[in-house]
Amino acid sequence: EMQLLQSGGGLVQPGGSLRLSCAASGFTFSSYAMTWLRQAPGKGLEWVSAISTTDDTTYYADSVKGRFTISRDDSKSTLSLQMNSLRAEDTALYYCAKVPPDQGFYDLWGQGTLVTVSS
Amino acid sequence: DIQMTQSPSTLSASVGDRVTITCRATQNIRSWLAWYQQKPGKAPNLLMYDASSLGRGVPSRFSGSGSGTEFTLTISSLQPDDFATYYCQQYNSFPWTFGQGTKVEIK
Repeated sequence: EMQLLQSGGGLVQPGGSLRLSCAASGFTFSSYAMTWLRQAPGKGLEWVSAISTTDDTTYYADSVKGRFTISRDDSKSTLSLQMNSLRAEDTALYYCAKVPPDQGFYDLWGQGTLVTVSS
Repeated sequence: DIQMTQSPSTLSASVGDRVTITCRATQNIRSWLAWYQQKPGKAPNLLMYDASSLGRGVPSRFSGSGSGTEFTLTISSLQPDDFATYYCQQYNSFPWTFGQGTKVEIK
């Protein structure tokens, strides 16, 4: 069974850092682009960042560019999101998701992990 | 960025009703549109992709149509398990963007 299991998250003060992880199983992780998305409390979905397969090219939403870093470790089938200089507006449920080849939709999602930025 | 607008924002319906949700894009996105279902406390689940292709394991009462800037998601006969929030998402142009969601409630 294909699965994405997330860890990390929690409460952090403004300006602080946090690292999210997403462990993949049941599929060949290295063959798929991966993304992070988020959903602020009671709000809709927002794409945050993506990483490709072949050359690990990375992409970021303007709202997180320069503060967040996406990475992948294909040997461990793990996706990560390093979040620095966190702001109150980064408070959200964060999801990792798998992208089918040459597509732009998400066919497998993690369970979500909550990040709360508050003093 | 391409803006996606869904209507209605909330929809009240009864079991057995035919339900239609509309999604409009500010630019031509061809058929590069997906639909997701999200239940409270859960991650979204892919329903449709390429505007009209059914996701894996999705019941056939769900269907999608449209191209260009206007799209619809139809549930032919609403079931108790279908009460949820539905999102459209375009993947024609980066950044891929979502509609604001349509909540389907019990009437």
